[in-house]
Amino acid sequence: GDSVTQMEGPVTLSEEAFLTINCTYTATGYPSLFWYVQYPGEGLQLLLKATKADDKGSNKGFEATYRKETTSFHLEKGSVQVSDSAVYFCALSSYSGGGADGLTFGKGTHLIIQP
Amino acid sequence: NAGVTQTPKFRILKIGQSMTLQCTQDMNHNYMYWYRQDPGMGLKLIYYSVGAGITDKGEVPNGYNVSRSTTEDFPLRLELAAPSQTSVYFCASTSASYGYTFGSGTRLTVV
Repeated sequence: GDSVTQMEGPVTLSEEAFLTINCTYTATGYPSLFWYVQYPGEGLQLLLKATKADDKGSNKGFEATYRKETTSFHLEKGSVQVSDSAVYFCALSSYSGGGADGLTFGKGTHLIIQP
Repeated sequence: NAGVTQTPKFRILKIGQSMTLQCTQDMNHNYMYWYRQDPGMGLKLIYYSVGAGITDKGEVPNGYNVSRSTTEDFPLRLELAAPSQTSVYFCASTSASYGYTFGSGTRLTVV
């Protein structure tokens, strides 16, 4: 079945540091890939997405590129802020229409940014 | 523009009690989902629905039931609550355009 593996946390960085959170996946066919962010006490919010190989998703300074050859979708940001502290989830949908049987999530990476 | 609304936000149940978690969306989405989130485990799919009158099991359906009588509502029923059902429950919906919208969650404790 489908699966998503992302780096374990917590990840602790200083403000303005460079961020990488690794995500790899296993899926049949051509999945769509997502990064979701969860702030304390809140639900999940879509951060960015990519629907085909070599697509780059970007939002709020975060970027991730869909790499089919390495089955990866690593999240990056050039300069993190304290407000980026949250839990980040990598996810995939194996149904090309983005619906049907839902998203498969990684376990989440807790990011802590220190001033 | 409410999106996905879940009630209640918090609940404490005693072992063996039953309850229904409510989920309503106002975006006319066909697809709706129930997930549970346990610490360090990500989100696991409990049940999903591709339209009114159609539901199907996800990865962890045991101990739960759902119904989908309307496009807007997708309640999750817990019968005979057990401590293993202590979790945070999220409802989500989507159309066929890749954007999943999540509710703010229900934190359930079974004691």
